[in-house]
Amino acid sequence: DGGITQSPKYLFRKEGQNVTLSCEQNLNHDAMYWYRQDPGQGLRLIYYSQIVNDFQKGDIAEGYSVSREKKESFPLTVTSAQKNPTAFYLCASSIGTSTVRQQFFGPGTRLTVL
Amino acid sequence: QKEVEQNSGPLSVPEGAIASLNCTYSDRGSQSFFWYRQYSGKSPELIMFIYSNGDKEDGRFTAQLNKASQYVSLLIRDSQPSDSATYLCAVRAQYGNKLVFGAGTILRVKS
Repeated sequence: DGGITQSPKYLFRKEGQNVTLSCEQNLNHDAMYWYRQDPGQGLRLIYYSQIVNDFQKGDIAEGYSVSREKKESFPLTVTSAQKNPTAFYLCASSIGTSTVRQQFFGPGTRLTVL
Repeated sequence: QKEVEQNSGPLSVPEGAIASLNCTYSDRGSQSFFWYRQYSGKSPELIMFIYSNGDKEDGRFTAQLNKASQYVSLLIRDSQPSDSATYLCAVRAQYGNKLVFGAGTILRVKS
């Protein structure tokens, strides 16, 4: 089955801890993205990567970090510097060279800070 | 002004009716336009995309694009209770892979 997997589905963190959210895709897509969604709001872009070993900040990158060491993997670390990390985190991917470049989403990780 | 605007709703329609969802965008250079459906607690699912002026039909769904008016809409014919969800409009700028999302419109189809 081709698709995007995210783990864990639910994650609980104590204040002051860093946590890493996993995102893996086997679609052979070049580009990968991380979004954050808060209740009743749309998706806000955290980081994106168009190629291995390269990534760019999105609109709300402060308090987050990413790496792209492999084409299929794009983990997101939520650091203790992120003031309000409780949210629904979505990973997406797209074919970088496609004219339309539609994005496909993983199932998401719901992070709660205790 | 937000880059992508949608009426938050909820939009309530009876079963079998046509649901009309609207979206406006501010960047005139925008190239591609997407409609995603998101059920509560789930991730967004791509329904349709459109990049040329006019209409694009796929089953019960029709996307309409008017670049001059910077307006894109989604029509759902013969609405079903299973269509009840939040519909997100997303716009890709002229250059790059980034999408900008609207806040979404809640649709409720009543049986």
